[in-house]
Amino acid sequence: AQKVTQAQTEISVVEKEDVTLDCVYETRDTTYYLFWYKQPPSGELVFLIRRNSFDEQNEISGRYSWNFQKSTSSFNFTITASQVVDSAVYFCALRGGSGNTGKLIFGQGTTLQVKP
Amino acid sequence: DTGVSQDPRHKITKRGQNVTFRCDPISEHNRLYWYRQTLGQGPEFLTYFQNEAQLEKSRLLSDRFSAERPKGSFSTLEIQRTEQGDSAMYLCASRTAGEHGYTFGSGTRLTVV
Repeated sequence: AQKVTQAQTEISVVEKEDVTLDCVYETRDTTYYLFWYKQPPSGELVFLIRRNSFDEQNEISGRYSWNFQKSTSSFNFTITASQVVDSAVYFCALRGGSGNTGKLIFGQGTTLQVKP
Repeated sequence: DTGVSQDPRHKITKRGQNVTFRCDPISEHNRLYWYRQTLGQGPEFLTYFQNEAQLEKSRLLSDRFSAERPKGSFSTLEIQRTEQGDSAMYLCASRTAGEHGYTFGSGTRLTVV
């Protein structure tokens, strides 16, 4: 079975602090894809990043960075110098490999509140 | 094409009534997904269409739920005899073959009173 766990339900930080959102996944597939989405109060899911299981290289995009470690089945997301606009619910998601219909398995989400 | 459109944005209905939601995916996307998201939870997969064929349905999709995608373009999700437990955000997403990026709509928030 596939599963995604985001153990942190809510995180509150003060602006300019760094914050890391944890994601642990379970899958028996050798090929799979991991995603992070942001959901602002408007409700729409905004794509942030996709990583496939063969690419363990960490990625940085502006203030965002992602740490993928297959050994611990984790795909953590760090926001550096957080801003109020980063306040949202963040979801980690997993998609199986070939033969899969492409459905995403989401974690429960982490609500991030950045206070000014 | 401005993305995935969902209609209506909000729906309040009385228990026992039928409701229908519509999703218009990005025109060149042949794959379409419906998800349900309850308060404080992540989206849960409901069903998947490839063109007009419904290829996968979740156990969450009871017999009161039906989805269609008649011409492989827009899709509808109907809930019959609504129950309070059906109150949720219903999200639609689409993508094209060979692409791994999904575009989500803003969702339809259903409240059953």
